[in-house]
Amino acid sequence: QVQLVESGGGVVQPGGSLRLACVGSGFRFNSYAMHWVRQAPGKGLEWVASIWFDGSKKYFGESVKGRFTIFRDNSKNALFLQMNSLRREDAAVYYCARGFSSAWYIMGFWGQGTPVTVSS
Amino acid sequence: SSVLTQSPSVSVAPGQTARIACGGDKIGGKSIQWYQQKPGQAPILVVYDDSERPSGIPERFSGSKSGNTATLTINWVEAGDEGDYYCQVWDTWSDYPGVFGGGTKLTV
Repeated sequence: QVQLVESGGGVVQPGGSLRLACVGSGFRFNSYAMHWVRQAPGKGLEWVASIWFDGSKKYFGESVKGRFTIFRDNSKNALFLQMNSLRREDAAVYYCARGFSSAWYIMGFWGQGTPVTVSS
Repeated sequence: SSVLTQSPSVSVAPGQTARIACGGDKIGGKSIQWYQQKPGQAPILVVYDDSERPSGIPERFSGSKSGNTATLTINWVEAGDEGDYYCQVWDTWSDYPGVFGGGTKLTV
């Protein structure tokens, strides 16, 4: 069955960096767009970034553009989110999601998330 | 860029019908998705392309759209439907295309 497992979350100081990873299984990873979505404590969902199946196109949310980057290694069925210049407001649970079969921009399947805390 | 507006909360009795609305400029020209998030769990997709249901989602869940308002309807609401519901669009013409509504908490 489809599985997405995120890792790499943790505690980081303001201004620091962190790299999140998401490994997919149970589907042909290199055929699907992938997404990152975050949820701050007690808040709603916020789209962070998306990447096409082959990595050729990338999209970022306004609050993270220029600080975060998204990339993938299809040979390892892995998606990454490199987060630099972290701010307190970046603290959240970060979910990776797989694009939907009929439309790449739909988040058809989600992982369980990895928490990121930004604190000194 | 698009802004999607949802009421913060909806409350219904078991067996009744819940209607959760999502409004926004130009929503009529975009595909709307709905996600359900139960407490402590990851979101799941319950409706896509305005009114389509992914496999495994009960027929009690349906979506519709009229003008600039999309609606998620849950018939014969059960206690297990309690949670947060988010609408979402992909605004192709925006610099920041991925947009979620603020979410609606459904209390049963």
